[in-house]
Amino acid sequence: DSGVTQTPKHLITATGQRVTLRCSPRSGDLSVYWYQQSLDQGLQFLIQYYNGEERAKGNILERFSAQQFPDLHSELNLSSLELGDSALYFCASSVGTRDNSEQYFGPGTRLTVT
Amino acid sequence: DQQVKQNSPSLSVQEGRISILNCDYTNSMFDYFLWYKKYPAEGPTFLISISSIKDKNEDGRFTVFLNKSAKHLSLHIVPSQPGDSAVYFCAAKSNFGNEKLTFGTGTRLTIIP
Repeated sequence: DSGVTQTPKHLITATGQRVTLRCSPRSGDLSVYWYQQSLDQGLQFLIQYYNGEERAKGNILERFSAQQFPDLHSELNLSSLELGDSALYFCASSVGTRDNSEQYFGPGTRLTVT
Repeated sequence: DQQVKQNSPSLSVQEGRISILNCDYTNSMFDYFLWYKKYPAEGPTFLISISSIKDKNEDGRFTVFLNKSAKHLSLHIVPSQPGDSAVYFCAAKSNFGNEKLTFGTGTRLTIIP
């Protein structure tokens, strides 16, 4: 158990809909990262938050947005969903200082868009 | 552009033997490398890492080797055990940017009893 929790575990929704994925980081971790893993692909970095502020952005679509709340949990919002958005979405957390601290991953949310 | 490549999608190794997983990278700004292990229906689990100032790091049965001139790293597992069967991801980051990890596509390791 990494200490990072994600809800829900599975989500099935229709095209055009909007969903929210939730992540709670490990106790004491200030940084939260979101990654997307499509079928047979590596994990693709989407976005990072540090202590409530956006720190880095990767290949995140404009239809997607995220935020980190004062209690440090984070939400990833996916809107106008398309079939191609079906993927595993992982959240990770780390201490977040600019050192080589490892990222600890949650179990993921499997999103299926039908 | 795949900056971190794992060219072997799968690998089968006899229990007790050495497993060697390989990873190549193209971005010379990468200076920290990690290996993650992933079981089905779970998130990736951190295994071992290496900084670019080193060429080897060892932790129990796991050793990571880094060859900067070849932009290549490898993970050695010895002896291999059935519980090592999983997908292994190589990841890299640059401390001159943010802390995002760039992942390879993974190698599925199967340990044969």
